[in-house]
Amino acid sequence: EAGVAQSPRYKIIEKRQSVAFWCNPISGHATLYWYQQILGQGPKLLIQFQNNGVVDDSQLPKDRFSAERLKGVDSTLKIQPAKLEDSAVYLCASSFQANKNTEAFFGQGTRLTVV
Amino acid sequence: QQQVKQSPQSLIVQKGGISIINCAYENTAFDYFPWYQQFPGKGPALLIAIRPDVSEKKEGRFTISFNKSAKQFSLHIMDSQPGDSATYFCAASNFNKFYFGSGTKLNVKP
Repeated sequence: EAGVAQSPRYKIIEKRQSVAFWCNPISGHATLYWYQQILGQGPKLLIQFQNNGVVDDSQLPKDRFSAERLKGVDSTLKIQPAKLEDSAVYLCASSFQANKNTEAFFGQGTRLTVV
Repeated sequence: QQQVKQSPQSLIVQKGGISIINCAYENTAFDYFPWYQQFPGKGPALLIAIRPDVSEKKEGRFTISFNKSAKQFSLHIMDSQPGDSATYFCAASNFNKFYFGSGTKLNVKP
């Protein structure tokens, strides 16, 4: 079974620039998550999709962050404009079932450095 | 508001020793408590998980102890090995929404 795929692995941008991350979840997984992991901290949920609908985006800074899940499969997370404090690893995860707690599988993440 | 509190922040254990990491939560609606292991440059990977209807779950050298009344749970790594050196995150979940602790960096000395 292929895992969660993310790209790029690393990205360095200047503040006020824009950046986009891509995620391909495990086939058949209905739930997709984007997490932000700042160095030395646990992952923080940014947005949760159920198929192609948003379940929770309460912690997504909507003035600069946006995300979409195309046709309920792949997802992109965009930051525009980036700030220094956005430097973090952005993790995508997916899980199979919609309304029952099951294992969330994580990708390797995209390490973003804003300079 | 931090939903899950984890301690210690870092832990050094000798090879063969027992590593213990503790977590506490507030929301009694949580009904799934996984532990994730993360190596540098990798995403977190599920290690072991427990549901609140049991007080203990053991898989190999890894054991979760769960105290529902105290709203606490802990990970015990028996016979710790250098290969166990990683960052460990506890989490709590309800309706597939996961809240993570701040992580414990474990270093097992040979």
